[in-house]
Amino acid sequence: EVQLVESGGGLVQPGGSLRLSCAASGFTFSSYSMNWVRQAPGKGLEWVSYSSGSSSNIYYADSVKGRFTLSRDNAKNSLHLQMNSLRDEDTAVYYCARATVTGVGRGYFDLWGRGTLVTVSS
Amino acid sequence: DIVMTQSPDSLAVSLGERATINCRSSQSVLYSSNNKNYLAWYQQKPGQPPKLLISWASTRESGVPDRFSGSGSGTDFTLTISSLQAEDVAVYYCQQYYSSPLTFGGGTKVEIK
Repeated sequence: EVQLVESGGGLVQPGGSLRLSCAASGFTFSSYSMNWVRQAPGKGLEWVSYSSGSSSNIYYADSVKGRFTLSRDNAKNSLHLQMNSLRDEDTAVYYCARATVTGVGRGYFDLWGRGTLVTVSS
Repeated sequence: DIVMTQSPDSLAVSLGERATINCRSSQSVLYSSNNKNYLAWYQQKPGQPPKLLISWASTRESGVPDRFSGSGSGTDFTLTISSLQAEDVAVYYCQQYYSSPLTFGGGTKVEIK
């Protein structure tokens, strides 16, 4: 079955760190660009980060640049998001999303995981 | 950044009636070299992740009912549900993939009247 499964969310204090993971199955992971998209409680969708299939191109939203680091392990079909210096406004459900790429760093999201909730609070 | 603006924020439509959702981009998402609009529509039901409905402004994904259609070009786009069904209750989002950062509209909540 083609699917994405996120893990690693939880409650963390402001300034803390968390590492999210996304396990992919059912497709050739290395052939696809992968993203994280987040959704604050009751709010809309915000793109967070993008990795090309080979990790040669990685991009971040300005809101997380310098604090979050995206990586992937194609041998293990996994995507990771290391989140440091977390802020209250990072509280959200974080979705792993596969992209159909239409240009460098650009594409639409054709497969989504169910998400993992990150809560930043003291 | 390209700002995506959806309207209305919410709408209530009777079963079997038409629902129309609008999306406007702050700059054109039409790529002149291939004459394609870099715009997608998603449906998000309560407690679920978003689901891709339409890409390239008007291309329905496999398995999406044909009551869903997308139209428009340049900066103005529309998602139409021709005959609303109970299972269509959801929030709908547009997204541009013309330029980075990828951006979404604020969403339109569709309910049954």
